[in-house]
This record gives sequence, C-alpha cells and structure tokens, in this order.
Amino acid sequence: DQQVKQNSPSLSVQEGRISILNCDYTNSMFDYFLWYKKYPAEGPTFLISISSIKDKNEDGRFTVFLNKSAKHLSLHIVPSQPGDSAVYFCAASDRGSTLGRLYFGRGTQLTVWP
Amino acid sequence: DAGITQSPRHKVTETGTPVTLRCHQTENHRYMYWYRQDPGHGLRLIHYSYGVKDTDKGEVSDGYSVSRSKTEDFLLTLESATSSQTSVYFCAISSQGGYGYTFGSGTRLTVV
Repeated sequence: DQQVKQNSPSLSVQEGRISILNCDYTNSMFDYFLWYKKYPAEGPTFLISISSIKDKNEDGRFTVFLNKSAKHLSLHIVPSQPGDSAVYFCAASDRGSTLGRLYFGRGTQLTVWP
Repeated sequence: DAGITQSPRHKVTETGTPVTLRCHQTENHRYMYWYRQDPGHGLRLIHYSYGVKDTDKGEVSDGYSVSRSKTEDFLLTLESATSSQTSVYFCAISSQGGYGYTFGSGTRLTVV
C-alpha cells in the first residue's frame, strides 16, 4: 500500500512557464518531505525539503508547498528550463522513527520544451 | 560522488546464477539502503541497514539477501537471478535516516 503517491506520471511544460508537480501522502506521522530529481543514467539527487512545521520553502526557482490538512505537497518550478527535464520523486519520512526510512512516490517525468 | 560508490556499474548475467552488488561508502553513515527502479514503479526498497549487522527487509525483498559486516560496505546478493530482477539498482546512504539520503550512481543489471 503506497503511502506516498504521485498521480501524474508525466508533465509537459513550455520553457519559461511554471511547472507544478503534485504529491499526496496517507501517513499522518510523516513530518518531513523531500523532492529528488533524477536524470537518466544517474542516481537521484536531493532538490528541496520541507518540515511539517512550515507550509512553504523556497530555494531559487524551486518552491515546495505543504498542505497538512489535505496531506498534499507540491513542487513549483518557475521559470521552467529545458535542463529541468527529469524524473521528480516525492519522498516523506517520520523522523521520530528509528527505522530511518524515506517513502517514495513513483515519480513524475517532467519535460520542458523550448 | 559524495563518498558512495556502486560496483559494478553494468552487469549481464544468466538466469539461475548468483550475483552480488556492492555499495561502498566513505562517509561513515549509519544507514544504508538498496532500491530498485523500474518503469511505472519508481523506487522500491529491497533491504536496508541501520548499523553493522543490523538489516531489515523492504517491500520487495523476495529473492534478495544483504550483508553488512562493516560500516562502509553493504552487499546485495541475488541468490538465483531471474529475469524479473532485471532492473537498475541504487544504493543510498544517510547519517540520520529520515532527513534524506545520498544515492549512488546505480548498477544496471540484466538477467538473460
């Protein structure tokens, strides 16, 4: 049973526009959320994170929004660039757990076209 | 890259043979993980370790075993490889578990 869900397998956006990637979770114990980016033939790399005590975190062109009541988070990329084309994974964790695990969604393939 | 190395990077093996993938870290991190990535399934946890000789199963552990006899090495063994185990395997490390991982570059395994 998936605890983190990314319901859109793919997203296509024109260069310069906003990309919005969505993620839902079911476990109310999750208190930390991350986004990873993955290019072909490479390992995933950390992009941005947010703690459950916040509802927004920005890092340059990337902003993550958290809506705890809806158990939903989103990643906004503004403006989108062709180099942003990659698979984006949403992940969540319960930092109080000794298991030290992240739970991943299935990923969204973002394509940014010129 | 960030003190984590996977070997081999590519491997082709025959059905029924045992295969061992190696993950080596130089960060002295407590946690180590093995994932597989398949189209439509994202990243699925196979096994993980929260200390030397302390390991546990993930969601897709059938047909796989692991060992961690020292902090820096985490080995994943396919006891008798099957075509369904053709995949890209990623190792990850973490000092604090739920705060995020650093991933290796992956091993592409093909079972023929």
